[in-house]
Amino acid sequence: GENVEQHPSTLSVQEGDSAVIKCTYSDSASNYFPWYKQELGKRPQLIIDIRSNVGEKKDQRIAVTLNKTAKHFSLHITETQPEDSAVYFCAASSIDSWGKLQFGAGTQVVVTP
Amino acid sequence: EAGVAQSPRYKIIEKRQSVAFWCNPISGHATLYWYQQILGQGPKLLIQFQNNGVVDDSQLPKDRFSAERLKGVDSTLKIQPAKLEDSAVYLCASSTDTQYFGPGTRLTVL
Repeated sequence: GENVEQHPSTLSVQEGDSAVIKCTYSDSASNYFPWYKQELGKRPQLIIDIRSNVGEKKDQRIAVTLNKTAKHFSLHITETQPEDSAVYFCAASSIDSWGKLQFGAGTQVVVTP
Repeated sequence: EAGVAQSPRYKIIEKRQSVAFWCNPISGHATLYWYQQILGQGPKLLIQFQNNGVVDDSQLPKDRFSAERLKGVDSTLKIQPAKLEDSAVYLCASSTDTQYFGPGTRLTVL
């Protein structure tokens, strides 16, 4: 089955700096890669996703890149703000898995003013 | 649009007791998922329904966990009997394409 590894497990950045989180996946059939943000005690919320037919997607300060050959994808947050502090999860699924998501272990991001 | 609803939000039980969680997905979402999220880890899929049929329950501990979605809408997840290691947040999600999560039920087994 699919295995997703996520790094780093914790990330501390100064407000205004950029943050990058990287994930690798094992199943070459995976074609959908969402990123979720989870604040303490709250539900995971989708912040951006990418499908395997594109290499990069951007939404304001957030961008995701995908390298299918290397089987890795990354989340980039620019101009970080204190409200970006949360746990971020990457995930992957394949078209033949009925949307089943395999999650990474999560990255705790702390943005210090 | 209303989101995924779950109840209860918190539950404390003693080991060997039984517990049930309820989920109401977003209207029109045929696919429903139950995840277990242990503190400090990512969500782990327990079971996935497509309408009222099970698509994947390969990671569901079937000796103690059961789930149903009788009319293809609401779903219940039951644990009987509970063990200490079942302490976690149980998340329900639904989708047509993108998965949307409910607020979860935080279970503490003493």
